[in-house]
Amino acid sequence: SSELTQDPAVSVALGQTVRITCQGDSLRSYYASWYQQKPGQAPLLVIYNKDNRPSGIPDRFSGSSSGNTASLTITGAQAEDEADYYCNSRDSSGNQYVFGTGTKVTVL
Amino acid sequence: QVQLVQSGAEVKKPGASLKVSCKASGYTFTSYTIHWVRQVPGQRPEWMGCINAGNGNTKYSQNFQGRVTITADTSASTTYMELSSLRSEDTAVYYCARGFETGNYFDYWGQGTLVTVSS
Repeated sequence: SSELTQDPAVSVALGQTVRITCQGDSLRSYYASWYQQKPGQAPLLVIYNKDNRPSGIPDRFSGSSSGNTASLTITGAQAEDEADYYCNSRDSSGNQYVFGTGTKVTVL
Repeated sequence: QVQLVQSGAEVKKPGASLKVSCKASGYTFTSYTIHWVRQVPGQRPEWMGCINAGNGNTKYSQNFQGRVTITADTSASTTYMELSSLRSEDTAVYYCARGFETGNYFDYWGQGTLVTVSS
């Protein structure tokens, strides 16, 4: 299957830790990347190649992967982290890209 | 600094064709791929296809095969995405994004182009 499945929504108390997961068979072969998207904005890359952060992304964002599951962890969530988060990777053929179903993160 | 600047919003009739441009600056255009991603309001992004700006090779999503064409003008550092036979379900925001031939991520994105298909 080329589908990437995420939990639809999670909530986290301000300053606490939240983990978002992304499951799919292709993740056994390809790294996931993670994108943050706020209303009316383009997606923003926050994690690539499993656990790398682009310049400017706070170190409270981290990534990991095991088997068919990739994870994005926000340690010490801030109000500005409230957004939709999407994982992305290649499909099993390696020639196409697939976005995950998306997770809405609410910071309480 | 890397920038991807897209053309403006469009309104199209069903059955018409669409062409959106994406002008790159701040990096060596031919060293990267440009991907096109669309997002219907309230839904997840959807990958449409990409072009290797260095050699012109393209890949397309099976979901758009035959309807989408991606081209690049290296002299203008600009990529174009054409979508034909438009229908109301093609109403979406269309993004270009920079990627890598062997990478699995898109590090810079255009601002998006809203396309409305309506009779």
